[in-house]
Amino acid sequence: ETGVTQSPTHLIKTRGQQVTLRCSSQSGHNTVSWYQQALGQGPQFIFQYYREEENGRGNFPPRFSGLQFPNYSSELNVNALELDDSALYLCASSPGTNQETQYFGPGTRLLVL
Amino acid sequence: QKEVEQDPGPLSVPEGAIVSLNCTYSNSAFQYFMWYRQYSRKGPELLMYTYSSGNKEDGRFTAQVDKSSKYISLFIRDSQPSDSATYLCAMSIPTGNTPLVFGKGTRLSVIA
Repeated sequence: ETGVTQSPTHLIKTRGQQVTLRCSSQSGHNTVSWYQQALGQGPQFIFQYYREEENGRGNFPPRFSGLQFPNYSSELNVNALELDDSALYLCASSPGTNQETQYFGPGTRLLVL
Repeated sequence: QKEVEQDPGPLSVPEGAIVSLNCTYSNSAFQYFMWYRQYSRKGPELLMYTYSSGNKEDGRFTAQVDKSSKYISLFIRDSQPSDSATYLCAMSIPTGNTPLVFGKGTRLSVIA
């Protein structure tokens, strides 16, 4: 059984650019949640996808958007990057929408210059 | 007041010590309580979760929830250098799409 994987591991972008981050969920998991973790902070919920539909969103602007595919993998897209978007972006998958059994991937570290 | 408060540390202890990590929270609707361990430059790893009040033990780790005080704890017995990591508490309301709310994390160093 493979765990949650994310790509790329690291990324450097400049202000105003757009970025796409990818996540493959753990086998058998149909729900993916995305989190942003700034340095020295706990993860902050961005949104959740369940069976290809957005199923809850945190306090992030619309330039943060996502997709989930039929195989339950997911993308996070961020447009018009700002310096404050520099963070570790974490994907977590779970077998259903229950939050207590989420398993996290290693994250993508994004640096915006 | 933030929903979940966690002392960021750092906390440094000698090998073999008992470690106590704590979080307080303000939202009485939280029913699920989780502890995650995060090594440097890695994603969080689920250690334990507890539903409502009470204790749960798993090897050297014990999680306690006191809902009357809105206070949760993680105890690590016989701490090892490999326990050196950031420990994050997280909690949620038991409906399908309410997200996990995390504390800031406590950085722990166990010195050999």
